[in-house]
Amino acid sequence: DQQVKQNSPSLSVQEGRISILNCDYTNSMFDYFLWYKKYPAEGPTFLISISSIKDKNEDGRFTVFLNKSAKHLSLHIVPSQPGDSAVYFCAASARSGTASKLTFGTGTRLQVTL
Amino acid sequence: DVKVTQSSRYLVKRTGEKVFLECVQDMDHENMFWYRQDPGLGLRLIYFSYDVKMKEKGDIPEGYSVSREKKERFSLILESASTNQTSMYLCASSLEQLNTEAFFGQGTRLTVV
Repeated sequence: DQQVKQNSPSLSVQEGRISILNCDYTNSMFDYFLWYKKYPAEGPTFLISISSIKDKNEDGRFTVFLNKSAKHLSLHIVPSQPGDSAVYFCAASARSGTASKLTFGTGTRLQVTL
Repeated sequence: DVKVTQSSRYLVKRTGEKVFLECVQDMDHENMFWYRQDPGLGLRLIYFSYDVKMKEKGDIPEGYSVSREKKERFSLILESASTNQTSMYLCASSLEQLNTEAFFGQGTRLTVV
């Protein structure tokens, strides 16, 4: 039962254009959402997050949008750069007993072409 | 700067061996996690720990156990390695507070032959 879904396994975007990565979730108990970026043979690195009480958070070229009613979030990267080519994971946080744990999506591989 | 260090980048083990994956964090984080990453399946939580000697099962705990004797160290144990445990294993840690990110180690690529 996949509680966090990334339905696009891959995405190719030209350099300078906007990249939009999408994520859907099913568990209404999730209250915090994060995006991680992962290069091959490295651990994921935190990119940007958003609390469930907000609908937008921006950090430089990265913006995350949250639509709670649709249980949908998206990551916008503009302008896209070749160094953005990586796998992007959406994650959602909920408390489990005494700890907050993250549930991850399956990832979207972004390729930014010249 | 948070650092999560996994003891090995690459491991090759034989079927049936007992395997230990070690993880150390240097930021006094309460929570520590073990995930595995497989193509098309994303990151799946194996076990996590919210305090010393405390542990909880994640989504796929079968075939694994964990140990947390000290706050900074969280070990993943494969009691009897099998080929379907060939994977990338990722350790992470986080503070026990609301709305905080987890920090990951560099990963251990384990191959069971």
